[in-house]
Amino acid sequence: KAGVTQTPRYLIKTRGQQVTLSCSPISGHRSVSWYQQTPGQGLQFLFEYFSETQRNKGNFPGRFSGRQFSNSRSEMNVSTLELGDSALYLCASSPNAGAYNEQFFGPGTRLTVL
Amino acid sequence: AQSVTQLDSQVPVFEEAPVELRCNYSSSVSVYLFWYVQYPNQGLQLLLKYLSGSTLVKGINGFEAEFNKSQTSFHLRKPSVHISDTAEYFCAGGGSQGNLIFGKGTKLSVKP
Repeated sequence: KAGVTQTPRYLIKTRGQQVTLSCSPISGHRSVSWYQQTPGQGLQFLFEYFSETQRNKGNFPGRFSGRQFSNSRSEMNVSTLELGDSALYLCASSPNAGAYNEQFFGPGTRLTVL
Repeated sequence: AQSVTQLDSQVPVFEEAPVELRCNYSSSVSVYLFWYVQYPNQGLQLLLKYLSGSTLVKGINGFEAEFNKSQTSFHLRKPSVHISDTAEYFCAGGGSQGNLIFGKGTKLSVKP
């Protein structure tokens, strides 16, 4: 089975722009979660989607949003980018929702905001 | 507050020596515990998990961890490390939202 794929792998944007990141989960997985990884804050939960519905959301401003399509692929969008949004964004998929499920991570998208 | 604490940010060790990476979780974290490894420029890979049952959990690459409810700990161990074990290791627990709550990570550096 192919693993979780994320595109693009690297992205450079300037402040005020918006960005869309894409995640394709493992075939058959219905849950997709997004995490932000920074040196200072570590790994922080952004949101989880399950069967096209946002199931949970972390403590991030409304500039961060996402969606999931019927084929379980997910996108996250960040509007009005700030310097502090520079981070590695990781997507993880699992067969079902719930913390007891093993999450399979993609390689991440490294976003740099100038 | 829900939290997972990794007590050491960096652990240097010589090749073939034993290693222990320490992890404590707050009592409000659900007892689904995981250790992940991250190699440079890669995502996270699951090493092992504890959901219930035996408190000693064996994982991939010779790693094991012991769940200790009374001490709210889930330390990761390996009896003999290799250069290839150099990576960052993350302990995680289940959050109330069904998400994972991660520790800040421990960078393991294995020296020849």
